Amino acid sequence: SQQGEEDPQALSIQEGENATMNCSYKTSINNLQWYRQNSGRGLVHLILIRSNEREKHSGRLRVTLDTSKKSSSLLITASRAADTASYFCATSGWGTDKLIFGTGTRLQVFP
Amino acid sequence: SQTIHQWPATLVQPVGSPLSLECTVEGTSNPNLYWYRQAAGRGLQLLFYSVGIGQISSEVPQNLSASRPQDRQFILSSKKLLLSDSGFYLCAWSPRDRGGEQFFGPGTRLTVL
Repeated sequence: SQQGEEDPQALSIQEGENATMNCSYKTSINNLQWYRQNSGRGLVHLILIRSNEREKHSGRLRVTLDTSKKSSSLLITASRAADTASYFCATSGWGTDKLIFGTGTRLQVFP
Repeated sequence: SQTIHQWPATLVQPVGSPLSLECTVEGTSNPNLYWYRQAAGRGLQLLFYSVGIGQISSEVPQNLSASRPQDRQFILSSKKLLLSDSGFYLCAWSPRDRGGEQFFGPGTRLTVL
């Protein structure tokens, strides 16, 4: 079963605005990852945050993790039309290499 | 550098026909290998997971099977396709025992008619 639930399911914004996507999960994790998927393509890894980290940055991406609330957020700042894609969170448990993916957020950025 | 290949890119098959999707990885050894299925507009469902040649874990009961005849080759098969087998199939690999990122292939779009 899928552990991650993402919110919102779909998000439409204008170029230059910030986009925030949220992910909730149910059990203890080793790390949480965010992936991007362009339509009809494979997934591309964006960023990984470990369970003992609270915030991580990579370029225009900012990820937060609150293990007490079992939630994470992905912020894309100054969005561009090229950011249009689906974004998935995925959790990795302890002692396993398997990932459990969320349901994804479809982001549309209008020029 | 490592690369992952999947083929075919698209496939249209009649109900009851067999299936064979292939995935190969280059530039690494002893990887973990994964098969996922993605229904339209949905997240990924892990189907099979392999930590080595001949070692396959099935995550969900279904009409599909997987095999790993070589270290960097992962095959998804079915003897008789069902309509419900339609979807987007993704192969991925990850380094062993790292609990880190997975690297995905381009996917195969399967339509069963």
